[in-house]
Amino acid sequence: ILNVEQSPQSLHVQEGDSTNFTCSFPSSNFYALHWYRWETAKSPEALFVMTLNGDEKKKGRISATLNTKEGYSYLYIKGSQPEDSATYLCAFTGNTPLVFGKGTRLSVIA
Amino acid sequence: KAGVTQTPRYLIKTRGQQVTLSCSPISGHRSVSWYQQTPGQGLQFLFEYFSETQRNKGNFPGRFSGRQFSNSRSEMNVSTLELGDSALYLCASSLVSQETEAFFGQGTRLTVV
Repeated sequence: ILNVEQSPQSLHVQEGDSTNFTCSFPSSNFYALHWYRWETAKSPEALFVMTLNGDEKKKGRISATLNTKEGYSYLYIKGSQPEDSATYLCAFTGNTPLVFGKGTRLSVIA
Repeated sequence: KAGVTQTPRYLIKTRGQQVTLSCSPISGHRSVSWYQQTPGQGLQFLFEYFSETQRNKGNFPGRFSGRQFSNSRSEMNVSTLELGDSALYLCASSLVSQETEAFFGQGTRLTVV
């Protein structure tokens, strides 16, 4: 059974703080790693799809890195804002459908 | 461009009944996947359809079934509902497969009483 672990489970930060979360996934049969942001009462929204070891992607204040050899990805948010409050999900795919972690719930306090 | 549309948004059913949920993907997307989310659990994969064929199936009992039509719209059916089937059901559409970027609908919240 494939396991995708995310840590921490939840996080409270002050506005302006930078923060990061971790996603651990199986290092064998890797195809892609996805990050999604899921705000309350909305649909999960894709942030990044990463496929190459060493890949780094950036969208505004959010960036992500990927290490497929050791099976982890980091998501960074620089200068957190209240609108960043959401659950951040990662999902792994090998020769499999997407396997999601349980997410990291971020609360940014103004 | 219209997003992924799921209907209905909310549903209350009684144990033993059956239910059908609908998902209209983004125009041009041929892959539709279904997920279940229950409290404390991550998104659990139910099945994926591509060009009217089930391509992958998750570890759910046979009471859960689905289909996809020629216009890529998909339906999911749950028969003989149990209390534990109460969950948020999300569908996601992708251009080719769910290994590429997936676009999610807002989900159907099913409550079984």
